Amino acid sequence: AQKVTQAQTEISVVEKEDVTLDCVYETRDTTYYLFWYKQPPSGELVFLIRRNSFDEQNEISGRYSWNFQKSTSSFNFTITASQVVDSAVYFCALSFSGAGSYQLTFGKGTKLSVIP
Amino acid sequence: KAGVTQTPRYLIKTRGQQVTLSCSPISGHRSVSWYQQTPGQGLQFLFEYFSETQRNKGNFPGRFSGRQFSNSRSEMNVSTLELGDSALYLCASRTLPGDNYGYTFGSGTRLTVV
Repeated sequence: AQKVTQAQTEISVVEKEDVTLDCVYETRDTTYYLFWYKQPPSGELVFLIRRNSFDEQNEISGRYSWNFQKSTSSFNFTITASQVVDSAVYFCALSFSGAGSYQLTFGKGTKLSVIP
Repeated sequence: KAGVTQTPRYLIKTRGQQVTLSCSPISGHRSVSWYQQTPGQGLQFLFEYFSETQRNKGNFPGRFSGRQFSNSRSEMNVSTLELGDSALYLCASRTLPGDNYGYTFGSGTRLTVV
């Protein structure tokens, strides 16, 4: 069975602080994909990053960085120097093959509030 | 290019009624998936359509159904609405079912059942 756990339900930080959102996943597949999405109050899920199971390189995109560790089945997301615009719910997701397609299994999300 | 368009944005229905939600994918995207988001259960996969055929279905009762048209637009239908069907319904599109470069999601339809 596939499972994604985001243990942090809500996090509040003061603007300019760094914050890390945790994601732990479970899968028996050897080929899988991990994603992070951002959901602002408007409701739309905004794609942030995709990582496949064979690529454990960390990635940095501006203030965002991701740490993928297969040994601990974790795919953590760090925002450096947080801004008020980063306030949103963030979802980690796992993609696996089911009947020929790749549906997403999501974690419960972490609500991030950045206080000015 | 235009994103994924979902209509309507908000809907209020009475228990026992049925409802139809619409999703227009990004031009060129032929796979459309539907997800239900509730505070209790989070985001859950409903089904995926490709070439007017249902490719995969999540663990939802038969009251939830969908279809896809030849222009890739998709509709989902919920019959005999229950209070627990109140949720944000998100549609996502991608080029093909095997495309793992990520879905593009719409803004959702917020359904309230009273």
